[in-house]
Amino acid sequence: EPEVTQTPSHQVTQMGQEVILRCVPISNHLYFYWYRQILGQKVEFLVSFYNNEISEKSEIFDDQFSVERPDGSNFTLKIRSTKLEDSAMYFCASSARGRGSGANVLTFGAGSRLTVL
Amino acid sequence: GESVGLHLPTLSVQEGDNSIINCAYSNSASDYFIWYKQESGKGPQFIIDIRSNMDKRQGQRVTVLLNKTVKHLSLQIAATQPGDSAVYFCAEDTDKLIFGTGTRLQVFP
Repeated sequence: EPEVTQTPSHQVTQMGQEVILRCVPISNHLYFYWYRQILGQKVEFLVSFYNNEISEKSEIFDDQFSVERPDGSNFTLKIRSTKLEDSAMYFCASSARGRGSGANVLTFGAGSRLTVL
Repeated sequence: GESVGLHLPTLSVQEGDNSIINCAYSNSASDYFIWYKQESGKGPQFIIDIRSNMDKRQGQRVTVLLNKTVKHLSLQIAATQPGDSAVYFCAEDTDKLIFGTGTRLQVFP
């Protein structure tokens, strides 16, 4: 069964450092997403991406965050200068289609745990 | 609106019993409603969806009921197994998936 893969599974970084989290979405999917989950809290939407541009972003996704699809397979989330409160599990997801043609079912990766010290 | 909510934060059931997880939604314009589960240490996983013009849909051991009059969804799991232990989320089908806090299902022997 196709899956979304994420690397690294766990990253520890010092506050103020840049972090890049990588994702390989399902190959025929066109819509890509990042979510985060702070320990013990709900899964929060960060950003959606389609056709090489951001479709929508939440208020969490400030100027410290950026996303990129550098090639035909990878989708990355960059945090420019990490803060302690960025410590969370970050989930990448992809879907085959957006609204208007069936339910927009997202397939999630296993997540990348980011620990900021 | 993006509000999805769960009636109970935790549900404990005995293995073999049926589970019912409830959810309220606010956006009547959603075309679909979707249930996800999240097992410990994993990402959310799709379970089943239901189109807004339906009131019931059955999957393998799961049934989703939709009551548009009171904006209520429920997920029924038949013969609950230990592997069903997870946090369950309902979600409205929008361009971005908005999760509520979820209901934690605990299955005990």
